[in-house]
Amino acid sequence: ELKVEQNPLFLSMQEGKNYTIYCNYSTTSDRLYWYRQDPGKSLESLFVLLSNGAVKQEGRLMASLDTKARLSTLHITAAVHDLSATYFCAVARTNFGNEKLTFGTGTRLTIIP
Amino acid sequence: SQTIHQWPATLVQPVGSPLSLECTVEGTSNPNLYWYRQAAGRGLQLLFYSVGIGQISSEVPQNLSASRPQDRQFILSSKKLLLSDSGFYLCAWSLRGTGEQYFGPGTRLTVT
Repeated sequence: ELKVEQNPLFLSMQEGKNYTIYCNYSTTSDRLYWYRQDPGKSLESLFVLLSNGAVKQEGRLMASLDTKARLSTLHITAAVHDLSATYFCAVARTNFGNEKLTFGTGTRLTIIP
Repeated sequence: SQTIHQWPATLVQPVGSPLSLECTVEGTSNPNLYWYRQAAGRGLQLLFYSVGIGQISSEVPQNLSASRPQDRQFILSSKKLLLSDSGFYLCAWSLRGTGEQYFGPGTRLTVT
């Protein structure tokens, strides 16, 4: 059974600081996704990582994937308040040619002015 | 462009009552469709997925069921709701053979 763990579960950080969210998973996969969820809202796709060593950046967020270590990171640079949200990683598993996603527990990020 | 709709947006139902949540996708054909549930403050649990009309796979045993009567319509149902069915229900779609999923706005269900 595929298990996906994120840490930390809760993160409170000051504006302007840097931090990293970690996503570990238990079985082989070469595709990983990051989503953002604002309180009471649906999920918004942030990054799609499709191969070992993939790195994607959008604004103050950068995601990377190491399939050998079964680890993805989401790095936040010089945090600003509007990055406050819950971030989920999701690992793909293929079943008869169709992908299903297993989601991590989520990291609730709060940026303090 | 593709759009995904869910309704109702919120629902309050008594224990033992039936349930029907609807999800429709516009702007694409033959999508894979998914139902997830998110308990308060928790992650997402995949409930059902469908690769075509009438083809439903269940991920967890429960008192819920799903149906796909049309290519772009996915329905989540229950004959008798339990308190534990409360949560945020999200429908998602993906292109056949790819993994990235796109989520609808969700339905917040409270069972009283």
